[in-house]
Amino acid sequence: GQQLNQSPQSMFIQEGEDVSMNCTSSSIFNTWLWYKQEPGEGPVLLIALYKAGELTSNGRLTAQFGITRKDSFLNISASIPSDVGIYFCAGRSQGAQKLVFGQGTRLTINP
Amino acid sequence: NAGVTQTPKFRVLKTGQSMTLLCAQDMNHEYMYWYRQDPGMGLRLIHYSVGEGTTAKGEVPDGYNVSRLKKQNFLLGLESAAPSQTSVYFCASRSGLAGTSTDTQYFGPGTRLTVL
Repeated sequence: GQQLNQSPQSMFIQEGEDVSMNCTSSSIFNTWLWYKQEPGEGPVLLIALYKAGELTSNGRLTAQFGITRKDSFLNISASIPSDVGIYFCAGRSQGAQKLVFGQGTRLTINP
Repeated sequence: NAGVTQTPKFRVLKTGQSMTLLCAQDMNHEYMYWYRQDPGMGLRLIHYSVGEGTTAKGEVPDGYNVSRLKKQNFLLGLESAAPSQTSVYFCASRSGLAGTSTDTQYFGPGTRLTVL
């Protein structure tokens, strides 16, 4: 079945640093979604990508849909304490009913 | 517009008891999903529905049943709860076709279930 490899699994950074995480797939996706999950909450959609090469920003967050359609990355610039959480990538291939999820990147920020 | 809501937020059951989790969405979405999230396991799909009156099995359907009698509601049932079903359950919904610009998926806040 389809699998998503998300890396890194965890990150420990200083406040103000930039963050980069990525996901790679064994198959082609038509949609990439990036979510953030905070303790005790459900995943919240951050950015949605629909076209190969697409680069989309949401405030300090930027995500790109890889041109091979098998990868995506998420960058967070100038991290702040409220960025702490688990970030998930998810992808869907053409005609698929189900999302495939990465295992998540746990972000910890030292003030 | 409340998005996706789930009830209850917390529940403790004894082994063998039954219960139903309710998911409701007010976005007129066709597709609805039930996931469970366990430490270190990420999100695993239990069952899903592609429209009113339809349901399908996901990755981990055993021990669960679902119903989609109304478009806005998706119910997850546990007929005889087991400790292995202790987890956080998330409902999600989406509107559009895969690969189109409406292909977004929104999650509810979760239900934390403990089975003793």
